[in-house]
Amino acid sequence: ETGVTQSPTHLIKTRGQQVTLRCSSQSGHNTVSWYQQALGQGPQFIFQYYREEENGRGNFPPRFSGLQFPNYSSELNVNALELDDSALYLCASSLGGLAGYYEQYFGPGTRLTVT
Amino acid sequence: AQRVTQPEKLLSVFKGAPVELKCNYSYSGSPELFWYVQYSRQRLQLLLRHISRESIKGFTADLNKGETSFHLKKPFAQEEDSAMYYCALNTNAGKSTFGDGTTLTVKP
Repeated sequence: ETGVTQSPTHLIKTRGQQVTLRCSSQSGHNTVSWYQQALGQGPQFIFQYYREEENGRGNFPPRFSGLQFPNYSSELNVNALELDDSALYLCASSLGGLAGYYEQYFGPGTRLTVT
Repeated sequence: AQRVTQPEKLLSVFKGAPVELKCNYSYSGSPELFWYVQYSRQRLQLLLRHISRESIKGFTADLNKGETSFHLKKPFAQEEDSAMYYCALNTNAGKSTFGDGTTLTVKP
């Protein structure tokens, strides 16, 4: 069984640029959620994808967008980067889509720094 | 809107002492509640979820709908329990909300 992987590990971007972060789900999982974790805070839910469709979104602006592919891997895209976007971005996979009782398996995260 | 509050950022106990990490939530529907743990240099992982009613590593958590709480308890803390603990709430609309976490330190 393969765990959740994320790439890259670290990334430095300039304000105004665009970034794409990638996530491979745990084998057999059909749901991916993305989180932003600022220093000293808990993970903040960005959105969730279930079978290639977005089916839940947190309070993030439209410049945060995502994709899920047929193999259930996923991308998080952030346009027009702002300094406040600097954070650890976590991906989590699970089974079950809308069913809330499934546990999530987290990746190690991508550390994004915006200068 | 749903919300999860962990009132203690830091909690320190001695080995062998009981420990309770507090979690309060607000949600108008029927919540699914979880505790996740992050040990040093490791990724976030599930500790337990209320629906399974199990005890993991000696930890238990009871959902109290009247008090809207889901406190995590262990009768005898061990040094290896030192970690960051997050309480999380899932809805059946695909949304998850995490608290800001409690750092537990168990002193020898």
